Amino acid sequence: KAGVTQTPRYLIKTRGQQVTLSCSPISGHRSVSWYQQTPGQGLQFLFEYFSETQRNKGNFPGRFSGRQFSNSRSEMNVSTLELGDSALYLCASRDDRVGEQYFGPGTRLTVT
Amino acid sequence: LAKTTQPISMDSYEGQEVNITCSHNNIATNDYITWYQQFPSQGPRFIIQGYKTKVTNEVASLFIPADRKSSTLSLPRVSLSDTAVYYCLVAPGTGFQKLVFGTGTRLLVSP
Repeated sequence: KAGVTQTPRYLIKTRGQQVTLSCSPISGHRSVSWYQQTPGQGLQFLFEYFSETQRNKGNFPGRFSGRQFSNSRSEMNVSTLELGDSALYLCASRDDRVGEQYFGPGTRLTVT
Repeated sequence: LAKTTQPISMDSYEGQEVNITCSHNNIATNDYITWYQQFPSQGPRFIIQGYKTKVTNEVASLFIPADRKSSTLSLPRVSLSDTAVYYCLVAPGTGFQKLVFGTGTRLLVSP
């Protein structure tokens, strides 16, 4: 089975712009979660989608949003980018019947 | 969500066995213990998961005592490529699963 894929892998944006990141889960997985990783805050949970519905959300401002499509692919959007949004954004998928989450390679976002 | 405590860093040499212990005193009845490995600028990679006693796969073993308040990840005969950050997490086995990552253990394997 192919693993979790994320596009693009690298992205450079300027402050005030918006960005959309994409995640394709492992085939058959219906749960997709997003995480932000920075040197200062470590890995932090953003939100999780299951069958096109957001099941839970972390403590991030409303500028961070996401959605999931019927084929379980997910997108994450960040509007009005700030310098502090520079991070590695990770997507993880999971077969909801078993425990472990499988992570993608991440998208490295740099905001200048 | 149970909080985990693990050593910030560990050093080892190639060929040695490495044991990383994680403390999770407030683990819930339906929580599983999962370990991930992460290399710089990559996503965490699932290593092993267990509920109680001992679990072994092709890369590691996980030892969980009866009270489940701690767990030990055992990496047999480490190599230089095992240099990475290792995270211990506890989370429910099914349903919504928000993973709470701590600081992890930075393992450095030297020749």
